[in-house]
Amino acid sequence: GNSVTQMEGPVTLSEEAFLTINCTYTATGYPSLFWYVQYPGEGLQLLLKATKADDKGSNKGFEATYRKETTSFHLEKGSVQVSDSAVYFCALRQSNFGNEKLTFGTGTRLTIIP
Amino acid sequence: NAGVTQTPKFQVLKTGQSMTLQCAQDMNHEYMSWYRQDPGMGLRLIHYSVGAGITDQGEVPNGYNVSRSTTEDFPLRLLSAAPSQTSVYFCASSYKGRYTFGSGTRLTVV
Repeated sequence: GNSVTQMEGPVTLSEEAFLTINCTYTATGYPSLFWYVQYPGEGLQLLLKATKADDKGSNKGFEATYRKETTSFHLEKGSVQVSDSAVYFCALRQSNFGNEKLTFGTGTRLTIIP
Repeated sequence: NAGVTQTPKFQVLKTGQSMTLQCAQDMNHEYMSWYRQDPGMGLRLIHYSVGAGITDQGEVPNGYNVSRSTTEDFPLRLLSAAPSQTSVYFCASSYKGRYTFGSGTRLTVV
């Protein structure tokens, strides 16, 4: 079945540091890939997505590129802020005959220190 | 727009009690789903529905029932709560792969 493996946390960085959170996946066919963010006490919000190989998703300074050859979708940001502190989930979506499933990674807790 | 509304936000149950977690959406989405979130395990799919009158099991369905009598509502029922069901529960609705999540219900079973 489908699976998503993402970088173990927690991750603690200083403000303005460079961020990478690794994500790799296993799936048949051509899934869509997502990064979701969960701020304290809230539900998940879509951060960015990519629907086919070599697509780059971007939002709020975060980027991730769909790499089919390495089955990866790593999240990056050039300069993190305290407000980026949250839990980040990598996910894949696969749709078959009208049914679809969203499979999540375990989440990576990110803390940014001023 | 309210989006996806979950109630209650917090609940404490005793082992063996039953309860229903409510989920309502106002976006007319056909697809709705329930997830549980546990530390170190991400979100796991409990049940889902592709439209009114149609439900199916996800990855971890045991101990939970669902029904979908209307497009708007997708309640999750715990018939006899167990400590292993202590978790944070999220409801989601989606359209063309774009998911909207509720703010969650934190359930503790003692």
